[in-house]
Amino acid sequence: EDKVVQSPLSLVVHEGDTVTLNCSYEVTNFRSLLWYKQEKKAPTFLFMLTSSGIEKKSGRLSSILDKKELFSILNITATQTGDSAVYLCAALLNTGNQFYFGTGTSLTVIP
Amino acid sequence: DTAVSQTPKYLVTQMGNDKSIKCEQNLGHDTMYWYKQDSKKFLKIMFSYNNKELIINETVPNRFSPKSPDKAHLNLHINSLELGDSAVYFCASSQFTAPGTYTFGSGTRLTVV
Repeated sequence: EDKVVQSPLSLVVHEGDTVTLNCSYEVTNFRSLLWYKQEKKAPTFLFMLTSSGIEKKSGRLSSILDKKELFSILNITATQTGDSAVYLCAALLNTGNQFYFGTGTSLTVIP
Repeated sequence: DTAVSQTPKYLVTQMGNDKSIKCEQNLGHDTMYWYKQDSKKFLKIMFSYNNKELIINETVPNRFSPKSPDKAHLNLHINSLELGDSAVYFCASSQFTAPGTYTFGSGTRLTVV
């Protein structure tokens, strides 16, 4: 059965801390892995990772994919209260642009 | 300008009723999706249309019926609503060949009482 598992399920940190969110996947016809940030409204796109070992970076956020071990991590450095959200990862399949989402990691950053 | 818009944002209705949720995108994307998000924030795909053609039809009750009158619209009709249908429903769109364009609507919170 295809699945995407994220850990931890929830995390509370202080401003300035660095966090690492994990996403492991077991899907057939894997194409890419995507990360989203969901606040009160809709999930917003962060990264799409297709190649193994190549880090993608956007400001304080970075992510990398390991296609051999079937996981990805999302790092957030110098966290701010505005980083508080649910972070979702999703495995994109080759078939029909279908996504399998993980259950998300709820991140709370306290001042 | 709202890229993917869903209406209504909130919907409270009684069991047994029939309701529709509308979705429109102005991004020129050729693929649209409906997702159901449960209380644990898990997003599960329900349907996907590419150029008005149904390409993903996951195992959902046949009380749920999608309709895509054109590429920019994908509506979700639900018959005989049940308590377990209460959830947030997200519409999304993308360009089929460019998954990085995937864009979500703001969701419709459906509460069945």
